[in-house]
Amino acid sequence: QVLLVESGGGLVKPGGSLRLSCAASGFTFSEHYMSWIRQAPGKGLEWVSYTSSGGVTKYYTDSVKGRFSISRDNAKNSLYLQMNSLRAEDTAIYYCARKGGFTHGLDHWGQGTLVTVSS
Amino acid sequence: DIRMTQSPSTLSASVGDRVTITCRASQNITSWLAWYQQKPGKVPTLLIYKASILESGVPSRFSGSGFGTEFTLTISSLQPDDFASYYCQQYNSFSWAFGQGTKVEIK
Repeated sequence: QVLLVESGGGLVKPGGSLRLSCAASGFTFSEHYMSWIRQAPGKGLEWVSYTSSGGVTKYYTDSVKGRFSISRDNAKNSLYLQMNSLRAEDTAIYYCARKGGFTHGLDHWGQGTLVTVSS
Repeated sequence: DIRMTQSPSTLSASVGDRVTITCRASQNITSWLAWYQQKPGKVPTLLIYKASILESGVPSRFSGSGFGTEFTLTISSLQPDDFASYYCQQYNSFSWAFGQGTKVEIK
């Protein structure tokens, strides 16, 4: 079955960096767009970034442009999010999710990893 | 960027009620809209994609409609398991976006 497992979250000071990872299994990773979505405590879902199946196309929400970088390693079935210049407002659970197909939505989600930005 | 606005933000309803949630896009997104359900402390799950296609395994009491800028999610007969938050998401443009969510509460 499809499994997405995030790791790399933790407590970091403002201005610091973290690299999130998402290990995928149970499907052909290289055939799917992948995305990061975050949810601040008690708040709604916020789309952060997505990458195309080959990793060439990458898009970001405005608030993270220039600070976050999405990447993937299809040989390792892994998705990454490099987060630099972190701010308190980046505090959230970060989910990786698979886009099911060209017409599909985000059909599988990981359990999430918590990122806390605080001094 | 395309912005998504859901209404209402909170909805109080009883078991058996017909419930409708609206999602409006700031620009034409044709049919590139998905709906998700999220229960407290749980991961979101996909209910509907391409505005009206039911994801496999989702009960048929859920339905979606709309095109362009206005969309609806309808639950035909609310069940106890349906009390949750619901989010729309557009994936038409290069920049995706979620609505702010609608919490369906027990009346």
